[in-house]
Amino acid sequence: DSGVTQTPKHLITATGQRVTLRCSPRSGDLSVYWYQQSLDQGLQFLIQYYNGEERAKGNILERFSAQQFPDLHSELNLSSLELGDSALYFCASSPVGTSVSGELFFGEGSRLTVL
Amino acid sequence: DAKTTQPNSMESNEEEPVHLPCNHSTISGTDYIHWYRQLPSQGPEYVIHGLTSNVNNRMASLAIAEDRKSSTLILHRATLRDAAVYYCTHNAGNMLTFGGGTRLMVKP
Repeated sequence: DSGVTQTPKHLITATGQRVTLRCSPRSGDLSVYWYQQSLDQGLQFLIQYYNGEERAKGNILERFSAQQFPDLHSELNLSSLELGDSALYFCASSPVGTSVSGELFFGEGSRLTVL
Repeated sequence: DAKTTQPNSMESNEEEPVHLPCNHSTISGTDYIHWYRQLPSQGPEYVIHGLTSNVNNRMASLAIAEDRKSSTLILHRATLRDAAVYYCTHNAGNMLTFGGGTRLMVKP
C-alpha cells in the first residue's frame, strides 16, 4: 500500500461526458502528479501540482484540467470525453516539489472506459 | 521527453540473478536515472535511482556506466513476485516520463 488513494477505481461513461478523478496523496506529501496509461501510449505524464500550484505540465489535452486543493488532495477533470480517453489514470505523490531526485508513490489508478 | 531504450521482454529463472539493461544516450549531466516497476493490475512502484555512482537498496542494485549513457538494474535473486514491467527513465526537466519498459517473466 503506497498510501496514495484514488477514487473511483473504475468508471464507465459515454462520449461527450465529463468525469472527475480524485487523488489523496500520502500524508505529508506536497506534490501530486497525474499520469495516463493507455495500451498504445504507455505511461504519459500529464501534470504536476506542488502545494496548490501548478509545477510542471506534460502532454495534457486542453479538455483536461486539474487542481490541488488546500488539503492537498487533487482532482483531474476530463471533459468532452472521446473513445481514445479510455485509459488508466494514475496519481502519484512525493514530499518535495520535484520528481527528479526522489521517489514517487503511485496509487492503484482509476480505470476509465468511454463507450 | 526522456528517451530510453529497453528490451521489450526478458525471461529469467527463479532464484537466478537478472540484469535488465537500459540505454539513455540523451541524458544530461544533472539527470537522475530512475527505475520503476509495475506489477500486474497495480500502479508503478519505485525501485531505485542514482546519478553517477552505483547504488544498492533492499530491492535491487543499479549499475551506471561511466559515460552515464546506459545503466543496468540488477535483481540479485529473481522471485516469481518480481515478474513485472520494469521502466528505466531519467528526468526531462522537472518531469519523469516513462517509455515502454521491459516485461520480465520469471520461470519457476
